[in-house]
Amino acid sequence: DAGVIQSPRHEVTEMGQEVTLRCKPISGHNSLFWYRQTMMRGLELLIYFNNNVPIDDSGMPEDRFSAKMPNASFSTLKIQPSEPRDSAVYFCASSPQGWENTEAFFGQGTRLTVV
Amino acid sequence: GDSVTQMEGPVTLSEEAFLTINCTYTATGYPSLFWYVQYPGEGLQLLLKATKADDKGSNKGFEATYRKETTSFHLEKGSVQVSDSAVYFCALLTGGGNKLTFGTGTQLKVEL
Repeated sequence: DAGVIQSPRHEVTEMGQEVTLRCKPISGHNSLFWYRQTMMRGLELLIYFNNNVPIDDSGMPEDRFSAKMPNASFSTLKIQPSEPRDSAVYFCASSPQGWENTEAFFGQGTRLTVV
Repeated sequence: GDSVTQMEGPVTLSEEAFLTINCTYTATGYPSLFWYVQYPGEGLQLLLKATKADDKGSNKGFEATYRKETTSFHLEKGSVQVSDSAVYFCALLTGGGNKLTFGTGTQLKVEL
């Protein structure tokens, strides 16, 4: 298996533009997570899906952020409009069942720079 | 709420030195505990885990013991290598939960 695949690896965009990050989880995994990593705040869980349904989006910073999972093999995280403070590395992770006692597999991340 | 506290980095060691990275936690119930490692430019990888008190997780020469009495899960390695240079994250998960709570990470630099 190729692991969790994220695209793009790097994204540079201007403030105010829409940004879409993509994630393909490991086949057969039914839980998917979006994390944001910054120097100031470390790793933050943004949203969690189970069987394509959003379960916990309490970490989504504001209405400019939205995430979808239209099927078991694809998820997107969208920022509209983007702001410089959104610059971070965004990680997608998947897990074969609920978090409990299981390993989460992370993608290589998307480094987003908003100028 | 649940939280994880790690020692501040960076930690700089010479090759073959002994490593300890401290991790303490606050949680309701009986969490599972994890150490993840992040190599430069990559995502996080599970290094080891322990699911109940007194369990010892181990992998690649690293060890950590789940100490309920001190609410700690310190990471140790007897002899580090340059290839161990990375950022190490302590994390916890409470039973039935869906949120892996991470510490802030500790950067380890190993020099020749």
